[in-house]
Amino acid sequence: NAGVTQTPKFRILKIGQSMTLQCAQDMNHNYMYWYRQDPGMGLKLIYYSVGAGITDKGEVPNGYNVSRSTTEDFPLRLELAAPSQTSVYFCASSPLAQSSYEQYFGPGTRLTVT
Amino acid sequence: KQEVTQIPAALSVPEGENLVLNCSFTDSAIYNLQWFRQDPGKGLTSLLLIQSSQREQTSGRLNASLDKSSGRSTLYIAASQPGDSATYLCAAEAAGNKLTFGGGTRVLVKP
Repeated sequence: NAGVTQTPKFRILKIGQSMTLQCAQDMNHNYMYWYRQDPGMGLKLIYYSVGAGITDKGEVPNGYNVSRSTTEDFPLRLELAAPSQTSVYFCASSPLAQSSYEQYFGPGTRLTVT
Repeated sequence: KQEVTQIPAALSVPEGENLVLNCSFTDSAIYNLQWFRQDPGKGLTSLLLIQSSQREQTSGRLNASLDKSSGRSTLYIAASQPGDSATYLCAAEAAGNKLTFGGGTRVLVKP
């Protein structure tokens, strides 16, 4: 199993450009999440999904969009990049929502908007 | 709104000393409390998960305790090694598997 994979690893965007961060998991997990981590800070939840076709906002959803057409994939879309979106983005997944299950994290995408 | 705090933000100890990392949370209605390790430029690795009904969880040199009534969790790492140098994050889980993270404690174990 590859676990949770993310592409690209690094990206530099100009203000106003758009891009999609890719996330995939091969563990057949229902739950998937997108977090951002600013320097020296903890992670903040952007969006999450409880299954294919279902998505919901987290703590900091503004400026982002997601879709979940399959169980495996959960892409994050930035439509008009802004410097405030410079961050490291982590995707995670977990099995059905039970308190004994861990979240598994991808390696992250480091995004710089200039 | 849940808030999770980790103090201190950074910690430096000589090799062999025991590490004590603190995590506090404001809303005691949690499902579980997770501790993660993050190496520079890497993702998060789950270390321990304590369910809300448990008081502690152990794995090798790691022991985590949970006191919901006081809103605290503590991660103990026995006999620290240079390989334990990393940032340690705690996260409290609310309904829907949503995690609220603390800011982390950056640990340096000096040989």
